[in-house]
Amino acid sequence: NAGVTQTPKFQVLKTGQSMTLQCAQDMNHEYMSWYRQDPGMGLRLIHYSVGAGITDQGEVPNGYNVSRSTTEDFPLRLLSAAPSQTSVYFCASSRAGQGGAQPQHFGDGTRLSIL
Amino acid sequence: DAKTTQPTSMDCAEGRAANLPCNHSTISGNEYVYWYRQIHSQGPQYIIHGLKNNETNEMASLIITEDRKSSTLILPHATLRDTAVYYCIVRVATGTASKLTFGTGTRLQVTL
Repeated sequence: NAGVTQTPKFQVLKTGQSMTLQCAQDMNHEYMSWYRQDPGMGLRLIHYSVGAGITDQGEVPNGYNVSRSTTEDFPLRLLSAAPSQTSVYFCASSRAGQGGAQPQHFGDGTRLSIL
Repeated sequence: DAKTTQPTSMDCAEGRAANLPCNHSTISGNEYVYWYRQIHSQGPQYIIHGLKNNETNEMASLIITEDRKSSTLILPHATLRDTAVYYCIVRVATGTASKLTFGTGTRLQVTL
C-alpha cells in the first residue's frame, strides 16, 4: 500500500513550458486535491475532485488545469509555466462523505522551479 | 471554515510533554478540529481530529474545551523527531467537500 505517490519529485522548467504533475493513490479514495506551498506560508488549495469526472476550483486555480478520469489518478497541468508558479506542490486524498470527518493523506510533494 | 490562532513557535525538552494550544473562537457546531504536522518540507502528516470529545491515538491526545473555542494537542513524550510545524485546522463536516485551510502553524523545536 503506497498511499499517495507524486512524480516527479523535482522539476525545473523554463517560462512558457508546459508540464503535468502526476498524483496517484491506491486507497480507493474518492476525494483528491492539489495544494501549493510557498516559502513561509501554509498550503493553499488549487483544485480538488470528489470523484472520477468531477473537479472544482480551490482558492488559487489560475494557471492550472486538472482532470479526473479514474479514481486513482489526479494530474495537475501547467499549460504555460510562469515564475510565480515556482512552489512545492502537494497532492492529497481522502474518503468522501462526512467531509469533515475524513482525514486527508498527503504525498511527499513535487518541487517545481520555473526560470 | 473558522479561523485558528496558534503561537508562532514553541520549545520543548526531549522526553517532556509538548502542549500545543490553538484558539478557534468562531468555530461552528459542525466543524471538526484537525491537527497536522509538517516535518522539514515533507507532505503534511495527519495526527488527530475531534468534534466535541477529547481524543487519543498512538501519536497524540487532543483536548477540546467544553465551549469548543480552543483546543490543545498533547505529544506525551516529545522526541527530536517531533520537531516540525504543527497546524491546527477547523473543517466543516459537509457532504463531500474536504477542503483544508492551512494557516502558518506552530513551529515546535524539541531539544536535548
